[in-house]
Amino acid sequence: DAKTTQPPSMDCAEGRAANLPCNHSTISGNEYVYWYRQIHSQGPQYIIHGLKNNETNEMASLIITEDRKSSTLILPHATLRDTAVYYCIVSPNFGNEKLTFGTGTRLTIIP
Amino acid sequence: DTAVSQTPKYLVTQMGNDKSIKCEQNLGHDTMYWYKQDSKKFLKIMFSYNNKELIINETVPNRFSPKSPDKAHLNLHINSLELGDSAVYFCASRPWTGGGGYTFGSGTRLTVV
Repeated sequence: DAKTTQPPSMDCAEGRAANLPCNHSTISGNEYVYWYRQIHSQGPQYIIHGLKNNETNEMASLIITEDRKSSTLILPHATLRDTAVYYCIVSPNFGNEKLTFGTGTRLTIIP
Repeated sequence: DTAVSQTPKYLVTQMGNDKSIKCEQNLGHDTMYWYKQDSKKFLKIMFSYNNKELIINETVPNRFSPKSPDKAHLNLHINSLELGDSAVYFCASRPWTGGGGYTFGSGTRLTVV
C-alpha cells in the first residue's frame, strides 16, 4: 500500500505556481520523498526527490517539513503541458527498493 | 537519445497466445523493472533485475517470465494470455547506487481479445 496521501485533484491557472501537497506521516528515517508525474498514459517521469532538505531543480522545488511528515511540490510557473497525474512516493534510496504508486493528484492547468 | 525503449508499443492478441515485450536501456543503469498499469490506472511493480539477477518478484503468475540477457535488456514473456492481462506495461531502469529517479519507457499497451 502507498504510504502517502494526496488530494485527488487540483486546478491551477496557467503561469501561476502550482503547489501540490503530500502527507507521509509514517515515513521512516531512511526513506526519501520522490515525485513523479504521468502525462496522459505516457511513462511516469521523475521530477525530484529529497530526504530532509529542500531541493530545487530545473523542473520543480520540493519543500519538506522539518518533521518530514509532509511535503509540497512546487511548479513555479505552470504551463498547459504540466497537466498530469502527480505521484508522491516515499522509498529508501538504494537499488533493491521498489516504488509503490498511490492514486496521485490529477493536476489540471487552466488557460 | 539516451532512454528506455520498449517494443512493441501496441500489442493485440488472442487469449491463449504467448507474447513477448522487449525493453532496452542505454543509460548504463544496473537495475531494471517491469511495472503494470491496469485499467484503473494503478501502477504496480512486477519484477526487478539487477545485473541480470532477479531481485523482486511481486507474486506475479508464473505465466509471466522475465529474462535479462544482459544488464541493458529486460524482456517480458507472457504465456497463455488471459483477458485480465490487458494493461499497459512499463519498463524502467535506475542506477543500483547513487540514488536518483527511475527512467520509464513509454509503455506497451497489451490488449487480449
